[in-house]
This record gives sequence, structure tokens and C-alpha cells, in this order.
Amino acid sequence: DTEVTQTPKHLVMGMTNKKSLKCEQHMGHRAMYWYKQKAKKPPELMFVYSYEKLSINESVPSRFSPECPNSSLLNLHLHALQPEDSALYLCASSLVTGSTGELFFGEGSRLTVL
Amino acid sequence: SQQGEEDPQALSIQEGENATMNCSYKTSINNLQWYRQNSGRGLVHLILIRSNEREKHSGRLRVTLDTSKKSSSLLITASRAADTASYFCAAETSYDKVIFGPGTSLSVIP
Repeated sequence: DTEVTQTPKHLVMGMTNKKSLKCEQHMGHRAMYWYKQKAKKPPELMFVYSYEKLSINESVPSRFSPECPNSSLLNLHLHALQPEDSALYLCASSLVTGSTGELFFGEGSRLTVL
Repeated sequence: SQQGEEDPQALSIQEGENATMNCSYKTSINNLQWYRQNSGRGLVHLILIRSNEREKHSGRLRVTLDTSKKSSSLLITASRAADTASYFCAAETSYDKVIFGPGTSLSVIP
């Protein structure tokens, strides 16, 4: 199984809502990542988890709250978002961090904030 | 922060021609990776070249790395319409970050 599964595929939320994005992998990878991608732009790194611990936070606003409940799951909790947060949110995993080799990406969750 | 820079930003070629994309980066790296993304989809890993390697091949792909110039190139030979996609280089830095360049949009015309 070489898949990273992201749910939901599409999400529309108001600025006062609380929602979560979910990511799951069963490849035994111990590094997981959140990226944000705006249209016609490259993915921007948000967070990195290594062995279920947050290792990198790229100065992301606190309205984005990541969580890694176990080695297979990664969540991104969303609260009080702004319309400019509308984007494709990509989850990825790799074997470990540090000269890891390839990242495996999910298909993304397309978020629209009204 | 953006680690890689790519050129060209957009490339349009005829089927059967070769496509070359270039990437430059700013800091020291563990490796340099290339990814492909079809419109609005997830990214797919194409090839990885480590900092102590100079050239690598995989099928119709050839990647080179020049660490003295902090640059890499991806060559796709005998392109096909199905190669139409965006291509990104990604630099894995010594701080375990994988940072993507702005990408090249490739159109292969049948």
C-alpha cells in the first residue's frame, strides 16, 4: 500500500466554523507533512512531524492547528479562517526526516473559506 | 521561504521533442528531487539525486546536479502528450525541510 489518503476532498467553510482535514498512510512512514498550495504556485511547507512530534512549524498562524495522534494519522484543525486561506492542502509522508528520499503525496483537500 | 527557482516558467513543445527544465537553489542540500503535478492533483515523485551525485537516469528522465552552481536540470526525452503537467524541483535542506521551486508548466502538443 503506497497511498496517502486525504479527506475530505473538498471543504467549504465559513470564517466562524471549525473543521478538520485528515490524512492517513499505512506505509510505516514516520515523517508526515502539511503543505499549502495556491493556484499556479508551488506547495508551501506548513508543518513537519517526525515520530509523531512536531519538528517544524513554518510560522503558520495559530488558526491552523496540526495534530498527529499516531504514526499513521495526521490532522489539520481549522478555526476562524480567512478567505485568503482558501487553497489546496496537501499531506505527504516519507520514511523518516533527514535525507529521507521521496515524499508521497495525497490528492489534497481543496478548501474554500467564505 | 522559497528554496528553488525554476526556468522556464512555461514550456510548450511538440510531441517527440525533448523538454529541459532548470532549477536553482540557495542553501546546502541533502538531495534535490523532481515532482510532477497534473492540474489540481497531488504531486508524484519522479526522481531524486543526492548531493554527492552528478547525474541520474530513470526511463526517459535525466537529471543533473551541479552543487558548485547550486543548480539542477531535468530532461524529458521523446515527450508525449501525457507528459503535459507542472514540474517542480524540491530541495531537501540540511534542516530536514523539503522546499519547492516555483515550477515549470509543460505543454506537449500532439
